[in-house]
Amino acid sequence: GAVVSQHPSRVICKSGTSVKIECRSLDFQATTMFWYRQFPKKSLMLMATSNEGSKATYEQGVEKDKFLINHASLTLSTLTVTSAHPEDSSFYICSARKKTAYGYTFGSGTRLTVV
Amino acid sequence: TQLLEQSPQFLSIQEGENLTVYCNSSSVFSSLQWYRQEPGEGPVLLVTVVTGGEVKKLKRLTFQFGDARKDSSLHITAAQPGDTGLYLCAGALIIDTGKLIFGQGTTLQVKP
Repeated sequence: GAVVSQHPSRVICKSGTSVKIECRSLDFQATTMFWYRQFPKKSLMLMATSNEGSKATYEQGVEKDKFLINHASLTLSTLTVTSAHPEDSSFYICSARKKTAYGYTFGSGTRLTVV
Repeated sequence: TQLLEQSPQFLSIQEGENLTVYCNSSSVFSSLQWYRQEPGEGPVLLVTVVTGGEVKKLKRLTFQFGDARKDSSLHITAAQPGDTGLYLCAGALIIDTGKLIFGQGTTLQVKP
């Protein structure tokens, strides 16, 4: 149990366009989902906490207007990178937490390349 | 400022050697987790520790949570080339139990 599906796994987009990444909990309800960014050979950096039915909470230094997060249901959160630039190229990973568990389940990540 | 300090960040050893990875913080965690991540994939949970002083074993891996729940260690006995990968510790802050904060990660290379 506790499977999180993230897609697309890879996406290449042109500068100035927007890209949407989806994160779905397949077999459980996730009241809270998290979005991370990871640079090559580095650890995961928390970008924002996504709560179902409410606004996301962004970490310091993360532009909320650039990284739009929507958590429309208990099983789906989306991250939209708006007006993407080459410096937004990175590995983005989502995580979902069960309501009453310590465990966090991670998606397989999305490799975004902005050209 | 790094909330969770993980060390060493890089480790290259020979097959059969033992190693220990540390995660330290001045903050108290409600739980601490260890993950392993392969390139291009999401982290995979190895273990969760929640009780101060707790020790958990997973085959050749031994995980310990500090008594004050501020630090943790991962010890690998007789490392094998298959243990090569990125190891990450992550803690859920006791004051904000939903948020999972990661250490810097340890890139382990085990040479045959």
